[in-house]
Amino acid sequence: DAGVIQSPRHEVTEMGQEVTLRCKPISGHNSLFWYRQTMMRGLELLIYFNNNVPIDDSGMPEDRFSAKMPNASFSTLKIQPSEPRDSAVYFCASSLARGRPNYGYTFGSGTRLTVV
Amino acid sequence: GENVEQHPSTLSVQEGDSAVIKCTYSDSASNYFPWYKQELGKRPQLIIDIRSNVGEKKDQRIAVTLNKTAKHFSLHITETQPEDSAVYFCAANEGGGADGLTFGKGTHLIIQP
Repeated sequence: DAGVIQSPRHEVTEMGQEVTLRCKPISGHNSLFWYRQTMMRGLELLIYFNNNVPIDDSGMPEDRFSAKMPNASFSTLKIQPSEPRDSAVYFCASSLARGRPNYGYTFGSGTRLTVV
Repeated sequence: GENVEQHPSTLSVQEGDSAVIKCTYSDSASNYFPWYKQELGKRPQLIIDIRSNVGEKKDQRIAVTLNKTAKHFSLHITETQPEDSAVYFCAANEGGGADGLTFGKGTHLIIQP
């Protein structure tokens, strides 16, 4: 398995532009998580899905952020319009659901977003 | 929701010595406590985890202990080596399920040669 795949690896955009981050979870994993990492706030959970259904989006900072999971192998995180304070590394992670013997997260390589 | 506190934020030890990182959590229903290692510019990677029905778990030079009564858990690294230098994160799950890990702020472990 190739692991959790994120694209792009780096994104530089101008303030006000729309940004779309993509994630392909590990095949067979039915939970998917979006995290944001900054020096000041560490790793913050933004939203997670279980069986493609959003379960908890309380970590999404504002209405400018939205996430979708149209099928079991793909998810997007969209920021519209982007602002400089959105600059961070965005990680996607996947895992098996509760009750399974091994449900540790596997993180993707992350997308480093810079909004100028 | 869950709150995870991690200490220290930076830890410098001599190569060959032991390192201990401590975390506390707030949700008594949490039952899964993983530790992640993140090297500079890379993804966090799971190194060891423990569930609430176990008090201690060991994997070669790494061990984790859990005290559910006091709601704290610790990572122990023995015989530290230069490649152990990284940022280490503890985490706890929310409300007894596997969903939504809450992470500590991380500990930057520096191994001095």
